[in-house]
Amino acid sequence: AQKITQTQPGMFVQEKEAVTLDCTYDTSDPSYGLFWYKQPSSGEMIFLIYQGSYDQQNATEGRYSLNFQKARKSANLVISASQLGDSAMYFCAMREPTGNQFYFGTGTSLTVIP
Amino acid sequence: DGGITQSPKYLFRKEGQNVTLSCEQNLNHDAMYWYRQDPGQGLRLIYYSQIVNDFQKGDIAEGYSVSREKKESFPLTVTSAQKNPTAFYLCASRDPRGPNYGYTFGSGTRLTVV
Repeated sequence: AQKITQTQPGMFVQEKEAVTLDCTYDTSDPSYGLFWYKQPSSGEMIFLIYQGSYDQQNATEGRYSLNFQKARKSANLVISASQLGDSAMYFCAMREPTGNQFYFGTGTSLTVIP
Repeated sequence: DGGITQSPKYLFRKEGQNVTLSCEQNLNHDAMYWYRQDPGQGLRLIYYSQIVNDFQKGDIAEGYSVSREKKESFPLTVTSAQKNPTAFYLCASRDPRGPNYGYTFGSGTRLTVV
């Protein structure tokens, strides 16, 4: 069974608009971490934001925020005020308690339109 | 600046050859990882190492081998037993004492069988 599901293979957003990238996860552990990474065409994975399962507040990092809905097992990434440089692949990932492995989704390709 | 260096960026392999992908980090991280990325499949764990001279298989270890003789280095050998080695390979490291943080990734090696 998939641990991380990203149902949007591709998304388009107008420059300066906000966009939400969906992510749902599956775990029976009460303790876990959720991450979002950006992968530009150069290939490097860039850490964007982290949400712990016990965190009460939604995580925010600059223009990135994570809409964490624990009961629905959902961890959507919201990018506000999109910029052309935001065009990239975005991956949602989960770390379980041992921390030895991350489970990645299949990614969402975001294109920002001028 | 601290980081992870992967080399080469592009690698071509003939059928039946072994090739070794280099991964070096100067972050003083104990844990290092190798992931394989195929189009539409996200990242899958090949091998990981939590300390020097110790490593464990991930989900898709068949046809690969690793060594961890130094803390800074975690080379991956793609052997001739790997039937479909063409993929993008990402190396990562992590400080296990920092559970709120994700991996630091290298910029990847793209391997093509010719």
